[in-house]
Amino acid sequence: DTEVTQTPKHLVMGMTNKKSLKCEQHMGHRAMYWYKQKAKKPPELMFVYSYEKLSINESVPSRFSPECPNSSLLNLHLHALQPEDSALYLCASSLPKLDTQYFGPGTRLTVL
Amino acid sequence: GESVGLHLPTLSVQEGDNSIINCAYSNSASDYFIWYKQESGKGPQFIIDIRSNMDKRQGQRVTVLLNKTVKHLSLQIAATQPGDSAVYFCAVARDTGFQKLVFGTGTRLLVSP
Repeated sequence: DTEVTQTPKHLVMGMTNKKSLKCEQHMGHRAMYWYKQKAKKPPELMFVYSYEKLSINESVPSRFSPECPNSSLLNLHLHALQPEDSALYLCASSLPKLDTQYFGPGTRLTVL
Repeated sequence: GESVGLHLPTLSVQEGDNSIINCAYSNSASDYFIWYKQESGKGPQFIIDIRSNMDKRQGQRVTVLLNKTVKHLSLQIAATQPGDSAVYFCAVARDTGFQKLVFGTGTRLLVSP
């Protein structure tokens, strides 16, 4: 099973809202990732967790706050977003070494 | 740093033809190369990967070729089908920085019946 699940599939939020995106995998992967993808562009890395610890933050604004509560779950907390943050947010997971990253279906976020 | 580019933004083929999508990378220290397929509104789907100690790897209807001398990667799809229509991304990584996949800009493959 190479499945990464993400909820919700779609999210519409105002600039003053607080919301969270969720990601789950049961492949035993100890590296998990958040990417942002704008239309017609490749995915851009935001955060990497390795063994539940934040190992990479690609200078992402603080209105995005990641959390890895356990080895299977990854959250992305959103607060005071801007309309330009509207995008497809992708979660991925992999073994904690040079190996395949498996992506979830993404959450389509619209900020009004 | 690494930069990855695809040669063509769009490739149009007829059903049954073979498709070749090309990718160039800049860092000769890259160790791992991967192709993803992304359909509209979906996440990238793993197709095939190859490591720097190999030149060729085959999967079901797909072959990846790696030419480290010219830093070039290609994905060949045999007997292309309408269901192969999607955007294809190559991505590269180094063993010392394995968590950072650097993606190319993507090639849209259009397959007409």
